[in-house]
Amino acid sequence: NAGVTQTPKFQVLKTGQSMTLQCAQDMNHNSMYWYRQDPGMGLRLIYYSASEGTTDKGEVPNGYNVSRLNKREFSLRLESAAPSQTSVYFCASSEAQWALTEAFFGQGTRLTVV
Amino acid sequence: GESVGLHLPTLSVQEGDNSIINCAYSNSASDYFIWYKQESGKGPQFIIDIRSNMDKRQGQRVTVLLNKTVKHLSLQIAATQPGDSAVYFCAEIVNYGGATNKLIFGTGTLLAVQP
Repeated sequence: NAGVTQTPKFQVLKTGQSMTLQCAQDMNHNSMYWYRQDPGMGLRLIYYSASEGTTDKGEVPNGYNVSRLNKREFSLRLESAAPSQTSVYFCASSEAQWALTEAFFGQGTRLTVV
Repeated sequence: GESVGLHLPTLSVQEGDNSIINCAYSNSASDYFIWYKQESGKGPQFIIDIRSNMDKRQGQRVTVLLNKTVKHLSLQIAATQPGDSAVYFCAEIVNYGGATNKLIFGTGTLLAVQP
């Protein structure tokens, strides 16, 4: 049971570099989400995809783009990384968009921008 | 506005004691609440949930209490064990109209279990 898989687990970028964080789930879930977690804070929603083919902004979307490639995969792209984007990024999925059900989280990607 | 905190609230308990972790939520329209446990280096894991039409729900060693009057949620862990040491987050599902719901997390509480 893989659940939600994120790659890479760790990444160091220089300011201005771009990269894509990958996320895949094998639970046939319709909805997927990207969160960031900063020290001493809860998770903040960056973008979400209620279903295949749709994406919407969350609380903190600036500086990010997403692609719902298919039902399984939801990627997060940083076009020009900034030190303020240093964080731990979590991908999550749920059966339906917060239809009173739990979300399953990946292990996280620890990103450092120098 | 958004609060920024560098230090998590910490609850320190002795092994075998009961733990109570509290959470205040802000949106009176929230109709679903979840407690997550996050161990170091891992993603959040579901513990227990409760709907707004309930005031108590019990799981294995855990109980969630919901007081809608004061918008307060608590997680009680019975006979706390070293493996319970983690950060605990409450989360609420907020409906922003139509079919759009969002899961909003609290800042978390660090539970430290002393042997």
